[in-house]
Amino acid sequence: DAKTTQPNSMESNEEEPVHLPCNHSTISGTDYIHWYRQLPSQGPEYVIHGLTSNVNNRMASLAIAEDRKSSTLILHRATLRDAAVYYCILLIQGAQKLVFGQGTRLTINP
Amino acid sequence: ETGVTQTPRHLVMGMTNKKSLKCEQHLGHNAMYWYKQSAKKPLELMFVYNFKEQTENNSVPSRFSPECPNSSHLFLHLHTLQPEDSALYLCASSQAGKHSNQPQHFGDGTRLSIL
Repeated sequence: DAKTTQPNSMESNEEEPVHLPCNHSTISGTDYIHWYRQLPSQGPEYVIHGLTSNVNNRMASLAIAEDRKSSTLILHRATLRDAAVYYCILLIQGAQKLVFGQGTRLTINP
Repeated sequence: ETGVTQTPRHLVMGMTNKKSLKCEQHLGHNAMYWYKQSAKKPLELMFVYNFKEQTENNSVPSRFSPECPNSSHLFLHLHTLQPEDSALYLCASSQAGKHSNQPQHFGDGTRLSIL
């Protein structure tokens, strides 16, 4: 499985945008980029996924580099409830085996 | 909002006990999963079930025995566990298929402590 690299932790302020980076230099052409997050005392929660084009949904935006070797999850206006561990995961279409790394622990300051 | 319900939320058991974890999904999905999350380690996939058939066993010791009687229910039977088995056990479900990119939906887990 292709690997991803994320910073261990990041900190931001409430109501400011947050950009969470992910490097995946060995990504293959069939790998989709998925993001999940895990809030304290809860199971992981799907955030967004994409292949080549940037994607937006009600939770976040996903910006994918042109060479696909990196991507950025964007929270447009962070709230205290966005404090969580964010995981960037590569997955080919139809695959079911999510391989979680350590993720990025995001702290939001009031 | 959780379409995946796990019971119990907390479980303390001795090494010689036998217990079961239960997971139920109300999302109409055809695939269910067990994951283990130990302290300071990433989530690890344990088992995958598709249409009630086990399709993946990630080298899990036989003291963990899964059961999937139908597409909505998944159990994890536990017997003669070790202290290192103390962890958060998470269940997930998804609508799986060859061309599917549907996300997995997780329950909030069972926190298991082995004495």
